[in-house]
Amino acid sequence: GQQLNQSPQSMFIQEGEDVSMNCTSSSIFNTWLWYKQDPGEGPVLLIALYKAGELTSNGRLTAQFGITRKDSFLNISASIPSDVGIYFCAGQLGQSNNNDMRFGAGTRLTVKP
Amino acid sequence: NAGVTQTPKFQVLKTGQSMTLQCAQDMNHNSMYWYRQDPGMGLRLIYYSASEGTTDKGEVPNGYNVSRLNKREFSLRLESAAPSQTSVYFCASQLPGQGANGYTFGSGTRLTVV
Repeated sequence: GQQLNQSPQSMFIQEGEDVSMNCTSSSIFNTWLWYKQDPGEGPVLLIALYKAGELTSNGRLTAQFGITRKDSFLNISASIPSDVGIYFCAGQLGQSNNNDMRFGAGTRLTVKP
Repeated sequence: NAGVTQTPKFQVLKTGQSMTLQCAQDMNHNSMYWYRQDPGMGLRLIYYSASEGTTDKGEVPNGYNVSRLNKREFSLRLESAAPSQTSVYFCASQLPGQGANGYTFGSGTRLTVV
């Protein structure tokens, strides 16, 4: 299946700093998604992107669907301690009920107060 | 509370033992999925069920079987556990027609095979 390369693998930042992470693929996706996983929990959807070039915000989070449809980034502004967790990108080819979603390996974020 | 419920939360098995991981959703979702999560590997699809009565293999199905018992429940069975199956297992469900936007994950089952 398609491989998603997510970077960085981990980040250690100070509270208040901005964060940027990205995801690239060798294949095209029609949908890009960003999830957050808290310790001991399952991933929760943060932002979904459906159109090349789309820039979408959700509070302090901003994500973009790359023009080539092979990449996406997630920015977190003014980080706070509760931003700690693992962030996953995911790409999907179609918008139907099938098995074509692929996940990146995750970015583990640590925020120091 | 509405959502996806997985049981058990933790399990330790000996090599060769069998067990079934349970998953239930009360959101009337058609599609259900089983993923495994390993360090540095992201989430990999084991099996999925597009609707009640159907199941299909995902990316890493070897060593597993599934049953879509009804619309609510989708179980994952390990017939003869191996240390390579040590992982965190997540069940997910999807609202019909919403594609990728509709995934809801359970809180996971942490399985250790010794």
